Formats: sequence, C-alpha cells, structure tokens
Amino acid sequence: DIQMTQSPSSLSASVGDRVTITCRASQSISSYLNWYQQKPGKAPKLLIYAASSLQSGVPSRFSGSGSGTDFTLTISSLQPEDFATYYCQQSYSTPPTFGPGTKVDIK
Amino acid sequence: EVQLVQSGAEVKKPGESLKISCKGSGYSFTSYWIGWVRQMPGKGLEWMGIIYPGDSDTRYSPSFQGQVTISADKSISTAYLQWSSLKASDTAMYYCARQFHGSGSYYNQNWFDPWGQGTLVTVSS
Repeated sequence: DIQMTQSPSSLSASVGDRVTITCRASQSISSYLNWYQQKPGKAPKLLIYAASSLQSGVPSRFSGSGSGTDFTLTISSLQPEDFATYYCQQSYSTPPTFGPGTKVDIK
Repeated sequence: EVQLVQSGAEVKKPGESLKISCKGSGYSFTSYWIGWVRQMPGKGLEWMGIIYPGDSDTRYSPSFQGQVTISADKSISTAYLQWSSLKASDTAMYYCARQFHGSGSYYNQNWFDPWGQGTLVTVSS
C-alpha cells in the first residue's frame, strides 16, 4: 500500500493567515492526489481533486499543488469556517489511502 | 442534488450482527462505485472497500477482507455494509462515499464525492 504522511499534524493560526499543509506519498503518484476537509461531527468534504483542481463550490482561497511525491494545500487567507482537519488521499492505486490529517485550530 | 443518506446510529453487543445502509439519490446509482470508509474515535480515515452497484463487483482492502461484507440493491439505490459478529474494536463512525471518475484530461483520476453523513456504530457489552 502507498503510505501518505502529512505535516504538520496540527497548527494554530489566526483569521487572515496564509496556511500551508504538506502531504507526501511513499512513492510517486503523479497527480493522483485529493484533499478533503472535515469539521467536527461532520463527514469529509472534497476540496481539491487531481492535486490542483478546485471542486465546484469551494472558495478560491483554497489551492493545491504538487506532483510525484510532494503536495501542498494552501489556504490564502484563513477564515473562521476553515478551522477543521484536512486529509490528503491518493487515488493512484488500490487501496486508496489517506494521510493522518492536519488539524487547523484557532490561535 | 446528489446525495447519500445513511442509516441511523446503532448500539450493539459483541457477537451480534449488523447491516448498515447508504441510499443514493440524484444520480444514476448503478453507474458509480460506492466506497465505505471507517473512522475510529479520534482517528483518521481508512478505506474499507468498494462496490459497483451496476453488477455488484466488489473490492476489499486487505485489512477488512473477511471482516465485513459489502453489498448493494440497485433496485432501491442502496449499498450496505454488514458484520456477522461484531467486536468492540468495530466501534467507529462509518461513511459511504461515491467514487467519482474524472473525464477528459482527468480520465484516470477518481475522488470521493459526495459523502454520506456517517453511521456511528457502538459495540459494547
């Protein structure tokens, strides 16, 4: 199975901050990388697919980049509703695997 | 609106059986894979397996093979996840999610969207 890691595991930030989360795959996965947001008590929600494509309805402050083994999710200006846990997921091979998550909370 | 609606929370005893459901609406249920994902308390997301309701083709994660059974009834647009003998370690939130396949330049890509609201399964004596 392809192992996914994320850093940091958690971060504290203020409204308006620029936030960057990193995801790394244990082998090259080209651009087969998706990002999800999960708020407490809620189901995950798709933010970014194919490494850099913004899902319809997701605010443009979210962006994704990377290919191969290293990927980033960037929130350009953190908003109160963005405090959540973020997961990356590879779809390069079966089984699809998720990163351990990055929790973003209020500073 | 594309939607997946899951059955309600369950409280069971070890050794009991259970079947939870996930009903799709707003799209062609038989044309998309449906996956199941486990989230243990305070933990991350684990892919359990997937089913294609059109022909019931099913794939399992090696970690869950033999532990659960995934099925679907296309006549009522519903997928299922079942256990024959629950353990305390099965206590978790379980999500279903549609596996969407890209087209054009995203032809080989896929992602999970949307997700069901989750079914909390608690196994305790």
